[in-house]
Amino acid sequence: DIQMTQSPSSLSASVGDRVTITCQTSQTIEYYLNWYQHKPGKAPRLLIYAASRLQRGVPSRFSGSESGTEFTLTISSLQPEDFAIYYCQQSYSTPFTFGPGTKVDVK
Amino acid sequence: EAQLVDSGGGLVQAGRSLRLSCAASGFTFDDYAMHWVRQAPGKGLEWVAGISYDSGGLGYVDSVKGRFTISRDNAKNSVFLQMNSLRVEDTALYFCAKDSGPYWYDESGSDSFDIWGQGTTVTVSA
Repeated sequence: DIQMTQSPSSLSASVGDRVTITCQTSQTIEYYLNWYQHKPGKAPRLLIYAASRLQRGVPSRFSGSESGTEFTLTISSLQPEDFAIYYCQQSYSTPFTFGPGTKVDVK
Repeated sequence: EAQLVDSGGGLVQAGRSLRLSCAASGFTFDDYAMHWVRQAPGKGLEWVAGISYDSGGLGYVDSVKGRFTISRDNAKNSVFLQMNSLRVEDTALYFCAKDSGPYWYDESGSDSFDIWGQGTTVTVSA
């Protein structure tokens, strides 16, 4: 199975901050990496697919990039509704696996 | 608006069975694969099972193989997860999720879960 790590596991930030979350995979997955936002008690939400493609309806302050086995989710200017847990997920091979999550909370 | 509504969770003793349901609306259900994903208390997300648009392909994580069965009824816009021989470690919030394509696993790697339900809680007691 492909192992996923994320860093940091949590971060505290303020509205307007630029936030960067990193996901590392245990083997190459080309660009088959998705990012999700999850708020407790709500359905998870797809933000980015195929490493850098913005899901329809997702604000453009979210972006994704990849470099080898390292993937990055960037929020250019954090908004109040962005405080949540963010997960990466690989779709390169089965079983599909998720990262452990990064919690973004209020500084 | 596309929507998934999960149901069927509850409290059950280890070794017993439970059947989860997920009702879809707002999109052409029989064009897309569907999945179940779970989240154990205090843990992250874990993919559990997937089924292709026509039930022609199925996939499971190793820990549930032989115990869980995913199925779908395209006439009723619904997907199901039959869970047998439940274990304490199956305790989790279970989400159904819509695939972005028709196959539960696309060898091109292009799967993503673009619509999710809010989840249904399964608690397995010893």
